Amino acid sequence: EVQLLESGGGSVQPGGSLRLSCAASGFTFSSSAMSWVRQGPGKGLEWVSAISGSGGSTYYADSVKGRFTISRDNSKKTLYLHMNSLRAEDTAVYYCAKLAGATGYWGQGTLVTVSS
Amino acid sequence: QPVLTQSSSASASLGSSVKVTCTLSSGHSSYIIAWHQQQPGKAPRYLMKLEGSGSYNKGSGVPDRFSGSSSGADRYLTISNLQSEDEADYYCETWDSNTRVFGGGTKLTVL
Repeated sequence: EVQLLESGGGSVQPGGSLRLSCAASGFTFSSSAMSWVRQGPGKGLEWVSAISGSGGSTYYADSVKGRFTISRDNSKKTLYLHMNSLRAEDTAVYYCAKLAGATGYWGQGTLVTVSS
Repeated sequence: QPVLTQSSSASASLGSSVKVTCTLSSGHSSYIIAWHQQQPGKAPRYLMKLEGSGSYNKGSGVPDRFSGSSSGADRYLTISNLQSEDEADYYCETWDSNTRVFGGGTKLTVL
């Protein structure tokens, strides 16, 4: 059974930093491209970032480019999202997702609140 | 990059069928998309990948009531024999070389 389990969310002040983690199991993590997707309060889904299976290629939405960094540790089957210079508009539930490939999977999400 | 357009809402009666539409922007009509379902208060769930030919590949455990089809730049999700648990937001998604894009979502109400 595929499982994606996010952690690391919480409350942070504007300008602060946070690191999200996503522990994966049930599939060949090292050969799977992975994404982070977020959903602001009452809003739709917004793709944030993606990384290739090897970690050699990374991609970002314009809204987070230069502030967020995606990375992975294939030995730990874990995906990360390092978030810096956080803004109020980054407040959202952040989902880890395997969207590429033959089929897709989503995690349960972790809430990030940016507020003073 | 591609843009996906969805109607904001749809409704249909219990036991009937409904077709949800996702339209690809000009120049992107051949793109493959994916459909995702998000029930109230829950994480999204992958439903299927849908090609421009109309061929689709559903995720594990997705009921037979869910099917996909295509016509030009339009991609459709059809739900037959609507159940109360089908009341949800439905999002289409596609991707380019270095980006992924979601449609705005369609809120489906089961009457």
